[in-house]
Amino acid sequence: DAGVIQSPRHEVTEMGQEVTLRCKPISGHDYLFWYRQTMMRGLELLIYFNNNVPIDDSGMPEDRFSAKMPNASFSTLKIQPSEPRDSAVYFCASSLNSRGEQYFGPGTRLTVT
Amino acid sequence: AQSVAQPEDQVNVAEGNPLTVKCTYSVSGNPYLFWYVQYPNRGLQFLLKYITGDNLVKGSYGFEAEFNKSQTSFHLKKPSALVSDSALYFCAVRDIAGGYQKVTFGTGTKLQVIP
Repeated sequence: DAGVIQSPRHEVTEMGQEVTLRCKPISGHDYLFWYRQTMMRGLELLIYFNNNVPIDDSGMPEDRFSAKMPNASFSTLKIQPSEPRDSAVYFCASSLNSRGEQYFGPGTRLTVT
Repeated sequence: AQSVAQPEDQVNVAEGNPLTVKCTYSVSGNPYLFWYVQYPNRGLQFLLKYITGDNLVKGSYGFEAEFNKSQTSFHLKKPSALVSDSALYFCAVRDIAGGYQKVTFGTGTKLQVIP
């Protein structure tokens, strides 16, 4: 298996622009997670899905952030409009079931200027 | 509410010496416990987990961790450190009693193995 796939790996955009991050989880995994990692705040859970349904989005910082999972093999995290404080590394992870460990993608490094 | 603490921001150890990275947790019920490692510019990688059973859990790359319920700890250990073990280590916990899958990660401990 190729593992969790994220694209793009790097994204540089200007403030106010829309940013879309993409994730393909491991086939057969029922849970998908989006995290954000910064030096100041560490690793933060933004939202997670179970069987394509959003379960907990309490970590989404504000309405500018939205996430979708239209099918079992694809999820997006969108920021509109982006702001410099959104600069971070965004990770997608998946797990087989509720007791399983999470498998992380390589991350997308987002820089908003 | 569940929580996890990694009291050391950084641990330095000489190559060949044993290493310990500390983790304590708080849950209302019984815990699932995990250790992950992150190398520079990479995603987190799963090392090992405790779900139930033996308190000593063995994982990847020669790492092991001991679950101690009375001390609510899950320290990561390795008998002989390698320079290549230098990385950021995260402890994570999930309350079995929780009706959801949310896992809480610690703040991470940077391990520096000195040649």
